[in-house]
Amino acid sequence: KQEVTQIPAALSVPEGENLVLNCSFTDSAIYNLQWFRQDPGKGLTSLLLIQSSQREQTSGRLNASLDKSSGRSTLYIAASQPGDSATYLCAVRDGGSNYKLTFGKGTLLTVNP
Amino acid sequence: GAGVSQSPSNKVTEKGKDVELRCDPISGHTALYWYRQSLGQGLEFLIYFQGNSAPDKSGLPSDRFSAERTGGSVSTLTIQRTQQEDSAVYLCASSSLTSGGWASAFFGQGTRLTVV
Repeated sequence: KQEVTQIPAALSVPEGENLVLNCSFTDSAIYNLQWFRQDPGKGLTSLLLIQSSQREQTSGRLNASLDKSSGRSTLYIAASQPGDSATYLCAVRDGGSNYKLTFGKGTLLTVNP
Repeated sequence: GAGVSQSPSNKVTEKGKDVELRCDPISGHTALYWYRQSLGQGLEFLIYFQGNSAPDKSGLPSDRFSAERTGGSVSTLTIQRTQQEDSAVYLCASSSLTSGGWASAFFGQGTRLTVV
């Protein structure tokens, strides 16, 4: 059974800092990995999708890396802003014939002005 | 519509009543997921539909929960004899299989269910 862990559970940083959020998964036979953002009381917004054959994806100030063999992904946020404050969720899509999405519990990020 | 649509956005129901939650996925998306998110918790997988294959129901917490997907599009999650512990936000997502493989999953805004 796939299990996804995100560390830290919460993070508070001053505006302008670069930061890294971590995601690990127990079964490396994944199809792809996706990072989401969730604002309070809202649904999930997709940030980045990394296919299992890829090493990283970038979008603006966000960079996600994937090390499939070690079961790890990181989300790097450059020059953080108060508007980045949200919960960040990592989800893996299993490979094989079951493409279920398994989520971590998320990292609650607070960027202080 | 352009995104995943869920209705109602909020539902308050009395304990013991049945409720139906609806999800309209993005047109053409063959995969549809239901998740539950309790206050301060992560996303709990409930059920997954993919095309005409038998759904993966492994996450349904009890036989009071069921889901259908008609015509490969709209899905309804039904909770019978609701209990207070069913109070949560129910999220629906859809995804497509393209020539490049599985694309991103897109989520609706969720249905907040409160059982009183």
